[in-house]
Amino acid sequence: DAKTTQPTSMDCAEGRAANLPCNHSTISGNEYVYWYRQIHSQGPQYIIHGLKNNETNEMASLIITEDRKSSTLILPHATLRDTAVYYCISQYALNFGKGTSLLVTP
Amino acid sequence: KAGVTQTPRYLIKTRGQQVTLSCSPISGHRSVSWYQQTPGQGLQFLFEYFSETQRNKGNFPGRFSGRQFSNSRSEMNVSTLELGDSALYLCASSRDTSYQETQYFGPGTRLLVL
Repeated sequence: DAKTTQPTSMDCAEGRAANLPCNHSTISGNEYVYWYRQIHSQGPQYIIHGLKNNETNEMASLIITEDRKSSTLILPHATLRDTAVYYCISQYALNFGKGTSLLVTP
Repeated sequence: KAGVTQTPRYLIKTRGQQVTLSCSPISGHRSVSWYQQTPGQGLQFLFEYFSETQRNKGNFPGRFSGRQFSNSRSEMNVSTLELGDSALYLCASSRDTSYQETQYFGPGTRLLVL
């Protein structure tokens, strides 16, 4: 399964865009990238997924590089409620790892 | 549609005991996965069941086992509990019409081993 690498933590000011990067250089050609987030003490929540094209839904946007070796999750107008741990995981991976802890500050 | 439910939500056990946790997936979902979450190790995969068969297994000792019933409900069992088994245990379900679809997580069972 493809290994993903994310920064341990990030900060973002409320109202600004939060850009969370993920490296997945060993992802296979037909393997989706999924993003989830986990608010403290709750189960992870699905956010978005993509294969090659950029994707957008009501929660976030996902930008995938042309070579598919990395992607960026964008929360366009971060709120305090977006403070959470964000996980990037390739479709066939089993372990989520430790993700990125995003702190949105007032 | 009701979400994934897990029971019990909280559990306290002592070393050497065994514990059984239950997970009811979203109606129509056939795949159930179990995860262990600890502060040091993050979210680690235990095993996955599909149509009552274990399809994948993570790197955990044989003390950790599971099963899935014909209605897709799943249980996991941990025997001979150790202090290090204290963790949040999460289950997730997916439709699994194609392999490894979007997973929907339950709230978890928080286990404390004393």
